[in-house]
Amino acid sequence: EPEVTQTPSHQVTQMGQEVILRCVPISNHLYFYWYRQILGQKVEFLVSFYNNEISEKSEIFDDQFSVERPDGSNFTLKIRSTKLEDSAMYFCASSVDPPVSEAFFGQGTRLTVV
Amino acid sequence: KNQVEQSPQSLIILEGKNCTLQCNYTVSPFSNLRWYKQDTGRGPVSLTIMTFSENTKSNGRYTATLDADTKQSSLHITASQLSDSASYICVVSAVRSASKIIFGSGTRLSIRP
Repeated sequence: EPEVTQTPSHQVTQMGQEVILRCVPISNHLYFYWYRQILGQKVEFLVSFYNNEISEKSEIFDDQFSVERPDGSNFTLKIRSTKLEDSAMYFCASSVDPPVSEAFFGQGTRLTVV
Repeated sequence: KNQVEQSPQSLIILEGKNCTLQCNYTVSPFSNLRWYKQDTGRGPVSLTIMTFSENTKSNGRYTATLDADTKQSSLHITASQLSDSASYICVVSAVRSASKIIFGSGTRLSIRP
């Protein structure tokens, strides 16, 4: 069964460092998303991506964040200068259509900023 | 304000028993409602998805209902198993908007042997 894969599963980084979280969406999907879940809190939308550009983003997705699809298969989330409050589980998701269809989530990357 | 509220916050039941989880929402304009199962430290896994015209949808021992008039949904789990222990999250999407996918806080379900 096709699945969304994320790497690494866990990343520890020092405050102020840059991190790149990687995702391989399902191959025939066209829409890609990043969400995050701070421990004990709700899942929050960060950004959606279609046709090589951001289609929507939330207030959380400020200038410290960026996304790209460098090679047609990987979909990455970069945090330029991490802060302690960036510690969270980051989920990548993909779908064939916009949200009206089912989005498939990856297993997540646990980011710990120390 | 777009909101999704779930109840109860947590629930403990004995293996083999049934249970029903509730979801109320105020998301507009409504596109679809999904129930996800999330194991601790893992990504959400979709159980059901319902659009405006659907009242009920089943997936094995999971049955979801939707009342679009009252903006309520329920997830009924039949003959619970230990592997059903997880958080169950109600997610409501506004029409064609990725940013307006609103997650509920989830119900943490624990199944006891």
